[in-house]
Amino acid sequence: RKEVEQDPGPFNVPEGATVAFNCTYSNSASQSFFWYRQDCRKEPKLLMSVYSSGNEDGRFTAQLNRASQYISLLIRDSKLSDSATYLCVVNFYSTLTFGKGTMLLVSP
Amino acid sequence: GAGVSQSPSNKVTEKGKDVELRCDPISGHTALYWYRQSLGQGLEFLIYFQGNSAPDKSGLPSDRFSAERTGGSVSTLTIQRTQQEDSAVYLCASSTGQGQPQHFGDGTRLSIL
Repeated sequence: RKEVEQDPGPFNVPEGATVAFNCTYSNSASQSFFWYRQDCRKEPKLLMSVYSSGNEDGRFTAQLNRASQYISLLIRDSKLSDSATYLCVVNFYSTLTFGKGTMLLVSP
Repeated sequence: GAGVSQSPSNKVTEKGKDVELRCDPISGHTALYWYRQSLGQGLEFLIYFQGNSAPDKSGLPSDRFSAERTGGSVSTLTIQRTQQEDSAVYLCASSTGQGQPQHFGDGTRLSIL
């Protein structure tokens, strides 16, 4: 079983749509969780940390379910500029494990 | 402030040559990571430095790969006797410590002919 699994997509959505990404992880002792975005041929950039209580940053909402070992990212009112690959990242001590990412394509 | 700086941006070399990739982390960041990303693939962890502790080398794919971090700051990743399968983008990241969000450099795009 892969350590961090994501639907590779691509997810094709129109502007203004709401889109949700899911991620599962295998190590139940994982300690912290993040979502990164990566634009084509660019480096990954931190989008947001994910907290147990769930957290929101503008149009982005992240949730964590430790019991199910599941993380989600919800993007509301999607913009063209949201087109990117979204990486689910899980930390265990010194190791950050990256999922392969879900590609999002937002069209006019 | 300055972010993570990597050099060179691009490197093209012949199979069998050695290459050195450099990473200058964000000032004050004690943790430094190297990853590589092949085309269309996820990030593959290579090595992790934390302060003066022994590095975690568990991700290095072969003994042709080595890295050092001098003075707790700049790091060099060396690949000896390069092979075509070493072609990838090599990304460096730094953070304030274990488990903290990482900030990435722009990467070095390595092409082995």
